[in-house]
Amino acid sequence: QLQLQESGPGLVKPSETLSLTCTVSGGSISSSSYYWGWIRQPPGKGLEWIGSIYYSGSTSYNPSLKSRVTISVDTSKNQFSLMLSSVTAADTAVYYCATEVGCSGGYCYLVNYFDYWGQGTLVTVSS
Amino acid sequence: QSVLTQPPSVSGAPGQRVTISCTGSSSNIGAGYDVHWYQQLPGTAPKLLIYGNSNRPSGVPDRFSGSKSGTSASLAITGLQAEDEADYYCHSYDSSLSGVLFGGGTKLTVL
Repeated sequence: QLQLQESGPGLVKPSETLSLTCTVSGGSISSSSYYWGWIRQPPGKGLEWIGSIYYSGSTSYNPSLKSRVTISVDTSKNQFSLMLSSVTAADTAVYYCATEVGCSGGYCYLVNYFDYWGQGTLVTVSS
Repeated sequence: QSVLTQPPSVSGAPGQRVTISCTGSSSNIGAGYDVHWYQQLPGTAPKLLIYGNSNRPSGVPDRFSGSKSGTSASLAITGLQAEDEADYYCHSYDSSLSGVLFGGGTKLTVL
């Protein structure tokens, strides 16, 4: 069974860059079966998709964050990473990494679903 | 205001049936995009509950069911239990916004 674990600083200063890494265990990040995604949740609020990456490096980003987001993959370390630049207090949130599945049981869906999730890591933006 | 609209809260007594709606539009649910549902227990990561509109992952009780019709989707929970008290989110895609969307979430209270 896949397991995901987020890691990175819990405190980031305004205007700086937030950097998080998701380490995948129990399976290969190079699997053709999965995309790999980042989702965040501000305290007391709902979920927001940040972006996704395939092991080949192909990415898709939330249009509202696209200018500030970079997601990358390191197949040698079985990790993928998130960078969010020019952060403000509005970027304070629990950040989750998750697997995205597009096909199951021989059927492929128009929208990938998030199957396995990391436990999440709280990132606070404050000086 | 989320593009996928969910009621902020629903409640029910143990053993009862509750439904949670997820209302979209012609650029998301109505365009044929799949809807998925997640359950988030307090202080934990979301958990996949329903995928592809109506499919349950292994391990999810058959008390949980999903459906989709027109521009809306619904999650039904029968035989309500105290352990079902959680936040529930729907998830789909919007072609106008060119992005993945979550509903605003619904807090289920078991009375």
